[in-house]
Amino acid sequence: EVQLLESGGDLVLPGGSLRLSCAASGFTFSNYAMYWVRQTPGKGLEWVSAITTSGGGTYYADSVKGRFTISRDNSKNTLFLQMNSLRAEDTALYYCARRFCSGGTCSSIPFDYWGQGTLVTVSS
Amino acid sequence: EIVLTQSPGTLSLSPGERATLSCRASQSVSSNYLAWYQQKPGQAPRLLIYGASSRATGIPDRFSGSGSGTDFTLTISRLEPEDFAVYYCQDYGNSPLYTFGQGTKLEIK
Repeated sequence: EVQLLESGGDLVLPGGSLRLSCAASGFTFSNYAMYWVRQTPGKGLEWVSAITTSGGGTYYADSVKGRFTISRDNSKNTLFLQMNSLRAEDTALYYCARRFCSGGTCSSIPFDYWGQGTLVTVSS
Repeated sequence: EIVLTQSPGTLSLSPGERATLSCRASQSVSSNYLAWYQQKPGQAPRLLIYGASSRATGIPDRFSGSGSGTDFTLTISRLEPEDFAVYYCQDYGNSPLYTFGQGTKLEIK
């Protein structure tokens, strides 16, 4: 069974840092590009960051560029999001999601599995 | 960056009725890589439709997607009680940027 389990969410002061993790199981992790998507309370979805299968390519939404860093450990089937210089507007439920990619080409199927999310609250 | 605009914001219908949800893109979606997701309270989004018109695994055939270029539609032929939720469209043709629409809430009338 495919599972994505996020952790690391917490209450943090503005300007603080947090590291989110997403533990994957039930599939070959290294065959999937991985993503972070966030959802503010009562609002919509915002793509945050992406990482290629090998970890050699990383991408960020403008809203987090220069503050967040995505990484992965394929030996441990785990995805990470290092969040620095946190702001109130980063408060959200953070989901990880996957997309199958092989040989440099990604499937026509986008985010077919999502985790249940981990809550980040930035407040003084 | 593509902007996706969904309409209506809220749709009030009764079980058994037909639902039509719209997603309009500010520019053409590459390869018609347009997806639809369903989200219920307290749950993660669930992929319904990809490539504008292909149903994801396990999705009932009352859900269908259509459209191309900049105009896309999600149709639910006969609403079941479990279909009342929020629906989002997503452009994934502009990888690695993945834009979502603001959502349409489908509520029971």
